[in-house]
Amino acid sequence: DTEVTQTPKHLVMGMTNKKSLKCEQHMGHRAMYWYKQKAKKPPELMFVYSYEKLSINESVPSRFSPECPNSSLLNLHLHALQPEDSALYLCASSQGDVQPQHFGDGTRLSIL
Amino acid sequence: GENVEQHPSTLSVQEGDSAVIKCTYSDSASNYFPWYKQELGKGPQLIIDIRSNVGEKKDQRIAVTLNKTAKHFSLHITETQPEDSAVYFCAASIVDTGRRALTFGSGTRLQVQP
Repeated sequence: DTEVTQTPKHLVMGMTNKKSLKCEQHMGHRAMYWYKQKAKKPPELMFVYSYEKLSINESVPSRFSPECPNSSLLNLHLHALQPEDSALYLCASSQGDVQPQHFGDGTRLSIL
Repeated sequence: GENVEQHPSTLSVQEGDSAVIKCTYSDSASNYFPWYKQELGKGPQLIIDIRSNVGEKKDQRIAVTLNKTAKHFSLHITETQPEDSAVYFCAASIVDTGRRALTFGSGTRLQVQP
């Protein structure tokens, strides 16, 4: 079992819905990440939070909104998504600037 | 920015044989190179990593080698088993500078035939 827990495991939503993806880790890590992974492709970085502050935003569309309530929780708020946003969304964490990154098993998102 | 190329894209071996996956990177400042294994329906799992001050690292049947001059690194799996079948990703990063982004290779689908 992974030490990074993501919920829900699967999510189907319409383009007008608002939903949130959740990620939790209890390893004391201070950096958390959101990645997007399309089928048969590597993960692509979306956001990085370090010490609860957003430090990298890889020009992701504003329909994705990250939130880091505390050092062990990370949310990704979704609004007005497009069919091309269907993918596996992965959360990861690491001990600050020190790698490695540990991944959760992801939320498989389908946009109708 | 960093660019990581990974070969081959698919690899089929017989159980017990060795498997080698190769990656090259473009940014000479990269100093951290992890390898991840991703099974179907799972997230990537770190299997081994190496830093640029080390040329080789082993963990049981898995080893990674790094050639900084040539800017390439390789994953070696010996005595392969069917449970080694998965997609493997290499990655490169610069740590200790505030940059935490991992740049992944395109992945290698390894199939171990029993």
